[in-house]
Amino acid sequence: EDQVTQSPEALRLQEGESSSLNCSYTVSGLRGLFWYRQDPGKGPEFLFTLYSAGEEKEKERLKATLTKKESFLHITAPKPEDSATYLCAVHYNNNDMRFGAGTRLTVKP
Amino acid sequence: NAGVTQTPKFRVLKTGQSMTLLCAQDMNHEYMYWYRQDPGMGLRLIHYSVGEGTTAKGEVPDGYNVSRLKKQNFLLGLESAAPSQTSVYFCASRPLSSGSYEQYFGPGTRLTVT
Repeated sequence: EDQVTQSPEALRLQEGESSSLNCSYTVSGLRGLFWYRQDPGKGPEFLFTLYSAGEEKEKERLKATLTKKESFLHITAPKPEDSATYLCAVHYNNNDMRFGAGTRLTVKP
Repeated sequence: NAGVTQTPKFRVLKTGQSMTLLCAQDMNHEYMYWYRQDPGMGLRLIHYSVGEGTTAKGEVPDGYNVSRLKKQNFLLGLESAAPSQTSVYFCASRPLSSGSYEQYFGPGTRLTVT
């Protein structure tokens, strides 16, 4: 069955404490893996797209990496404003799109 | 540019009532999507459209209908609402041939069915 699993469900960090979020997937015909940020009461906001194993993308304190079966979102020296839910999604086959349940990140000052 | 807008922002329905959610985008995107988001389950695709006059089923289409009469608008209808349809609904769009597949999301509609 096609699945996207994110872990952990929730993560609490102190400001400056680096960590990683995981997204594992079991789909065939991957066309792209996406990371989104979602703030409470708002729609998801696009962060990165990764297309092939070994690819990496960076934006400020965030870095996304991709292997054949999973992706990591590394957060370096996070700040309280990085607190949000981070969603992973995969686009596969022609138009199939599947989201993970998200990781809720809280960064304490 | 307003991007993707959704109306209404909130709605409360009684079981059996009907309603239509409107999604509009001003980016000239070909693809449009409707998702629902429930706690612990992530976003699930209800229906999508690859262009004006075309629609297709997603992962959870039962109980919903859609129409795409104009390129910029994508309507989601509930003919007979059920409590199981209580959720937050998001609309998204993306261009056809940008070389990437990222979607742009609206702010959501929170629907409660009692």
